[in-house]
Amino acid sequence: AQTVTQSQPEMSVQEAETVTLSCTYDTSESDYYLFWYKQPPSRQMILVIRQEAYKQQNATENRFSVNFQKAAKSFSLKISDSQLGDAAMYFCAYRSAEVRDKIIFGKGTRLHILP
Amino acid sequence: EADIYQTPRYLVIGTGKKITLECSQTMGHDKMYWYQQDPGMELHLIHYSYGVNSTEKGDLSSESTVSRIRTEHFPLTLESARPSHTSQYLCASRRGGGAAEQFFGPGTRLTVL
Repeated sequence: AQTVTQSQPEMSVQEAETVTLSCTYDTSESDYYLFWYKQPPSRQMILVIRQEAYKQQNATENRFSVNFQKAAKSFSLKISDSQLGDAAMYFCAYRSAEVRDKIIFGKGTRLHILP
Repeated sequence: EADIYQTPRYLVIGTGKKITLECSQTMGHDKMYWYQQDPGMELHLIHYSYGVNSTEKGDLSSESTVSRIRTEHFPLTLESARPSHTSQYLCASRRGGGAAEQFFGPGTRLTVL
């Protein structure tokens, strides 16, 4: 069974600085999808960024980028120029290309932005 | 903002009551999901649906039931609420396709006294 591990329950970063959230996963599959979701306090969870495992190029969305290391089964999220609005719980998630209807979430990392 | 809605947003109810948490989406998505999430904690999948008249149990055992009579509507029912059901319930939907993202509703925070 696949697992997703986020080893940092909480992190803090100074506004305008860069922070990296870690995520590792375990799978025997070669084709899958990885996601980072953001859950702000009392607000809806939204997708931050996604990565298809067959793509070697790391995904980027504005200030958000990932470092996808397939062999190491690592999928970290880098937030550049951190803003107060980035404060949230961040969940790493895995979806198999074979069993597409289940998405496995990590336990989350709570990110604090220090003004 | 995603077009997925949940009502009520907050519910405080006594033990033994029957409750239904509503979830609707206007995006025409076939796949819908219910998650249970304690505040600040991980999400646990409790039910999902591939489409109309299709429902499956998720990874976390739940005493709740769901139905999917219409594409846009995926209500969750607890026949007899207990304090152990106190949690946040998140509804989500997505279209087909492996890389398709899930859109989440705002959640229902349930407290059973």
